[in-house]
Amino acid sequence: GESVGLHLPTLSVQEGDNSIINCAYSNSASDYFIWYKQESGKGPQFIIDIRSNMDKRQGQRVTVLLNKTVKHLSLQIAATQPGDSAVYFCAENINTGGGTSYGKLTFGQGTILTVHP
Amino acid sequence: DAEITQSPRHKITETGRQVTLACHQTWNHNNMFWYRQDLGHGLRLIHYSYGVHDTNKGEVSDGYSVSRSNTEDLPLTLESAASSQTSVYFCASRSGPSGRPYNEQFFGPGTRLTVL
Repeated sequence: GESVGLHLPTLSVQEGDNSIINCAYSNSASDYFIWYKQESGKGPQFIIDIRSNMDKRQGQRVTVLLNKTVKHLSLQIAATQPGDSAVYFCAENINTGGGTSYGKLTFGQGTILTVHP
Repeated sequence: DAEITQSPRHKITETGRQVTLACHQTWNHNNMFWYRQDLGHGLRLIHYSYGVHDTNKGEVSDGYSVSRSNTEDLPLTLESAASSQTSVYFCASRSGPSGRPYNEQFFGPGTRLTVL
């Protein structure tokens, strides 16, 4: 995930622009990745996921890209809107085998996205 | 509609007291998780359960315990609250593997706990 620190990465964009939020992961055994959006005072909300046997997945206005060679994940948001302003987290599932690791997510630090009207 | 709820939403307690945070989901999900969220650390896994009577320690389990007596509930107990346990706590659930291991987790609204 993102580097540990007290200051979250931030991204400021204008309404209508495309946004790209990046996430690095370190464990080659990670086999499933999720992007979450968290608005102030709320729990994380599922956006999109991708399995390690894929390199791209698209949803409504969002695309997740996975580059396993460099252990990098990105979330692209098309035509960003003010309602997209939030903290975005990537999370990875590290497969330790035997079905015992399912759902045990490791979260990155998050990126603050601010969309200006 | 199915949902996941947490109570209380806010709690202030004193050092040394026992505190229990409730989590209830109506999706009939097998898997339930407790996380804490602190600035600079993101979400960290405290405990998790894959089914009734199953509990497992997560990354930051010291000082916490859980029990799973039914599918719907996974209460989190702080045996003797410490100031270091001041945090926002999130419960989550997901359906079990059953051939579909890659299922997303759904999160509750969170409980803000302050230990004085």
